[in-house]
Amino acid sequence: QSALTQPASVSGSPGQSITISCTGTSYDIGPYKYVSWYQQYPGKAPKLLIYDVTERPSGVSNRLSGSKSGNTASLTISGLQSEDEAYYYCSSYTTSKSWVFGGGTKLTVL
Amino acid sequence: QVQLVESGGGVVQPGRSLRLSCAASGFTLTSYAMHWVRQAPGKGLEWVSVISYDGNNQYYGDSVKGRFTISRDTSKKTVYLQMNSLRAEDTAVYYCVRGDNHENWGQGILVTVSS
Repeated sequence: QSALTQPASVSGSPGQSITISCTGTSYDIGPYKYVSWYQQYPGKAPKLLIYDVTERPSGVSNRLSGSKSGNTASLTISGLQSEDEAYYYCSSYTTSKSWVFGGGTKLTVL
Repeated sequence: QVQLVESGGGVVQPGRSLRLSCAASGFTLTSYAMHWVRQAPGKGLEWVSVISYDGNNQYYGDSVKGRFTISRDTSKKTVYLQMNSLRAEDTAVYYCVRGDNHENWGQGILVTVSS
């Protein structure tokens, strides 16, 4: 159950788009369409942004989108806003009937 | 609306036990899998355990397997995490989470394992 690999940090200017990658293996991301993304502000509980690779829960901005290719999933945030500055985590179901999270990415809005 | 309220955290000595509770409201517990996810201070999220929607299956992360047990009481609308043989590395905020998509999270409860 090794953690999924995310970049430690990404940054972008207001209005720009950024993409956060999440790399797994053929035992987690690869075989399934069960990748989720979460946003977490310091001291707060995580919030679900994307599930099943591409689906947005009700109320989540359409500036956010998810995708997957092979063993790597991605979260794209377009039209960056200051409130997007937070930590972002990915997760995936695994062949061991467990879940695994990524190490987290800090998004800085310049 | 969906509410998940964790309780039972605190400071405990290494080797001792603690039981966390998660009071669920606003939905039917028997329709959703329930998870526990933890976050050590300054670290990322770590999946801990899941109990299936029907209560028949439980799965655990490698780091807690054999020491932690997840269960639920549908009459009390509560999910539990029994934590035995606690170690310093179990120190974390523990979140109760609804559904396999992890769509709703509790506010978290801090468990500190220290002598």
